[in-house]
Amino acid sequence: GENVEQHPSTLSVQEGDSAVIKCTYSDSASNYFPWYKQELGKGPQLIIDIRSNVGEKKDQRIAVTLNKTAKHFSLHITETQPEDSAVYFCAASYGGSQGNLIFGKGTKLSVKP
Amino acid sequence: DAGITQSPRHKVTETGTPVTLRCHQTENHRYMYWYRQDPGHGLRLIHYSYGVKDTDKGEVSDGYSVSRSKTEDFLLTLESATSSQTSVYFCATRGADRGETQYFGPGTRLLVL
Repeated sequence: GENVEQHPSTLSVQEGDSAVIKCTYSDSASNYFPWYKQELGKGPQLIIDIRSNVGEKKDQRIAVTLNKTAKHFSLHITETQPEDSAVYFCAASYGGSQGNLIFGKGTKLSVKP
Repeated sequence: DAGITQSPRHKVTETGTPVTLRCHQTENHRYMYWYRQDPGHGLRLIHYSYGVKDTDKGEVSDGYSVSRSKTEDFLLTLESATSSQTSVYFCATRGADRGETQYFGPGTRLLVL
C-alpha cells in the first residue's frame, strides 16, 4: 500500500542554523505534498505545500523541494529560531480526487538558543 | 484557521462504553476527515466524508463508525471503546475549491480505562 517515510525522527540544531527534513513516498500517482507543523497540544497547521508540476517553492525562511523521479521531497528551514521547535509532518496525496493524504511519522525539531 | 471545532476536547471513559466525538466546521467544506494520532505512528486516517451521507473507510477503520447528516458536522463513534483506542483524535476539512489542502481541528484527547 501507499507509504511515506520521514527522516530524521528527531533533529536538534542551534539557533541560526539550517534544518532539513526528508521524505520519500511510494505512490507514483501522488501529486500533492504538504508539510505541517504541530506545536504541543495543538492540531497540525499547514506551513507550505508543493504540487508535482513544481520542483521548488519558497516562503520566507522555509522551502520545499520535490524530485518526482526519485520520489523524494524535503523541507528546508533556514535561520532557525526557537519558535520553530515543533513536530513537523510531511504528507503525500493518494486516492485520486478524494484528496486523501498519507502522513510520515513526524520529525521533532528542537532549536537551541 | 478553517473554523473547525471538536468536542469534547478531553474525555475519559471505560472499556466497553460507546463514545461519540463531534467535529463542527463553519467553512462549508465538502470533505471531512477523522484521524488518530499515536506516538510512533503519525496521523492515520480512520474515516472520511465526501459529502452529506457519503462516507468511506480509511486505513484504521475497525471499531469506528461515522455519520454526516449535515455539511457542518461529522461524528465519529466508538461503538464499544477499547484501551487500544486511547489516542488523540483530529478532525480535518477540505474545500472542493481549494485543491488538496486539509485544515485540522484542535484535537480530542481520549483515554479508555
